[in-house]
Amino acid sequence: SAVISQKPSRDICQRGTSLTIQCQVDSQVTMMFWYRQQPGQSLTLIATANQGSEATYESGFVIDKFPISRPNLTFSTLTVSNMSPEDSSIYLCSVNQRGAHPEAFFGQGTRLTVV
Amino acid sequence: DQQVKQNSPSLSVQEGRISILNCDYTNSMFDYFLWYKKYPAEGPTFLISISSIKDKNEDGRFTVFLNKSAKHLSLHIVPSQPGDSAVYFCAASLSGGSYIPTFGRGTSLIVHP
Repeated sequence: SAVISQKPSRDICQRGTSLTIQCQVDSQVTMMFWYRQQPGQSLTLIATANQGSEATYESGFVIDKFPISRPNLTFSTLTVSNMSPEDSSIYLCSVNQRGAHPEAFFGQGTRLTVV
Repeated sequence: DQQVKQNSPSLSVQEGRISILNCDYTNSMFDYFLWYKKYPAEGPTFLISISSIKDKNEDGRFTVFLNKSAKHLSLHIVPSQPGDSAVYFCAASLSGGSYIPTFGRGTSLIVHP
């Protein structure tokens, strides 16, 4: 299993500012995933972060709003840019374990409140 | 358009009784299904999974049932314990891709002592 450390665990930010969330994995992984969970909603995939190439964004998410870095195989950052109250969500970092019983592992999440 | 649906946002059960959480999906290509459990201020943790070649998978108190023709799966918890109180997410994925799961909105389970 993978152990994922994510920080900050929570933050309250002013609208118009940016917040960078960090995700550290205890093993090397090819792909890291960033999810958003808005209140009462499902976990929605924002993008897939690949080491050595640009992130792949899902429909409705763009690089200018959610720039992602992936400098090595154990670390990634997600920035929420020019924040508005609608960005208030839980943001989660995740990695997949392959094999006979593939499953996703998650960090503890970052609870973001934009005021 | 939600591909994975959990139509019950909450469920309340007495300790010792059975909890049944339901999940429906629309994409017939999904062939691997998972349940995750989430406590407040924590990330989701994997609970149990099932491949489409099976219709049942059991792990201790937790059993997942899959009805492919109905595109429906359910999670049974027997007996329910107060520590099971959490949000449960159903997820579905494609084995031919990267197993990236598509999640439902979750069901909040409360088990009363």
